[in-house]
Amino acid sequence: NAGVTQTPKFRVLKTGQSMTLLCAQDMNHEYMYWYRQDPGMGLRLIHYSVGEGTTAKGEVPDGYNVSRLKKQNFLLGLESAAPSQTSVYFCASAPSQLDRGSNQPQHFGDGTRLSIL
Amino acid sequence: GQSLEQPSEVTAVEGAIVQINCTYQTSGFYGLSWYQQHDGGAPTFLSYNALDGLEETGRFSSFLSRSDSYGYLLLQELQMKDSASYFCAVRGGATNKLIFGTGTLLAVQP
Repeated sequence: NAGVTQTPKFRVLKTGQSMTLLCAQDMNHEYMYWYRQDPGMGLRLIHYSVGEGTTAKGEVPDGYNVSRLKKQNFLLGLESAAPSQTSVYFCASAPSQLDRGSNQPQHFGDGTRLSIL
Repeated sequence: GQSLEQPSEVTAVEGAIVQINCTYQTSGFYGLSWYQQHDGGAPTFLSYNALDGLEETGRFSSFLSRSDSYGYLLLQELQMKDSASYFCAVRGGATNKLIFGTGTLLAVQP
């Protein structure tokens, strides 16, 4: 099982360039998430999706856009990269769940290490 | 605002027991999760508490007190492979959005 696959694994950009990070999951999960992780700051939610064709803002959405055209894919775009967006980006997916008592854990990809010069 | 606090670093010896605490202040609360991350790799799920009390999974246990907005992760019979970062995370609602703490780096020494 591939689980959650992120591409690319590493990327170096110049300020002002644009790029798209791809996340693909093969577990038929409804929910997908994009996080960034910076030293000493844990994981912060950028955007998320609760199903195909839906997206919503997380804690730190500015400077990023997302799309979920297919259930298995969740794309994160940087329109004009800035040095402050240098980070490690993690994608995660989870089954839908409404019951607060049960838990469907999030499954994470291996991350994309992005440097903006 | 929303915040989770946990110690930044903990050191323990092989075979010992260690407790990592987490206090939270969030606008919504469905439950508290714990994730493990080795060397900046993919975080992996350890445990989840929606109700007060202790949940045990092998060498790991997790505790929650909703009235105190407090939880902890207990690791027993520590092994070298347990050296990693541990994150508490609050599930705020039905969409399973998680708000993560800043992580605790556990160093297990021989």
